[in-house]
Amino acid sequence: DTGVSQDPRHKITKRGQNVTFRCDPISEHNRLYWYRQTLGQGPEFLTYFQNEAQLEKSRLLSDRFSAERPKGSFSTLEIQRTEQGDSAMYLCASSLDLSGGETQYFGPGTRLLVL
Amino acid sequence: DAKTTQPPSMDCAEGRAANLPCNHSTISGNEYVYWYRQIHSQGPQYIIHGLKNNETNEMASLIITEDRKSSTLILPHATLRDTAVYYCIVRPKYNNNDMRFGAGTRLTVKP
Repeated sequence: DTGVSQDPRHKITKRGQNVTFRCDPISEHNRLYWYRQTLGQGPEFLTYFQNEAQLEKSRLLSDRFSAERPKGSFSTLEIQRTEQGDSAMYLCASSLDLSGGETQYFGPGTRLLVL
Repeated sequence: DAKTTQPPSMDCAEGRAANLPCNHSTISGNEYVYWYRQIHSQGPQYIIHGLKNNETNEMASLIITEDRKSSTLILPHATLRDTAVYYCIVRPKYNNNDMRFGAGTRLTVKP
């Protein structure tokens, strides 16, 4: 257990529905990252926050995806109008960054299945 | 794209050392070599990282060649619980959001 928690751990939804995932980082970690992982592949970067500011978004993050970290603590990732191609593991990681060089610690992930 | 090349799979006998290679021929002087592993259906677990020198912690040892173009992760006494996908990642020293995972090496530890 790294101290990063994610909820829910599993989500099954029907195509077209909206889903929201939550990530609680290690306490006092100022950076929070979201990744997506499809079967047989390594995690792919989606976006990251420094405190409450979203500083970078991958081209993978279509306009149906939105992420927030309103108070610089927990974060949510919402997918609107889900598609079958959104089926994946969504991973959250956090780090305590003072100079940009610190290690990321990952949560257990949320596995999404879109029917 | 990942900046590293790893064999897709390896086997190791339980109790023996597991040596996982990684090629990173285009690594620059200010880039770390990081290793994570992912046990089935779990999030990636940090193992170890290094810049130039060899590193050791309670989980593993990291041997980086002098020219830094390749490295080896060593699990000294592999157990069945070490069966996982191992990812070698090259990452800028001062920019830890540039983490590019490849497909990794699937290590199977056999009894």
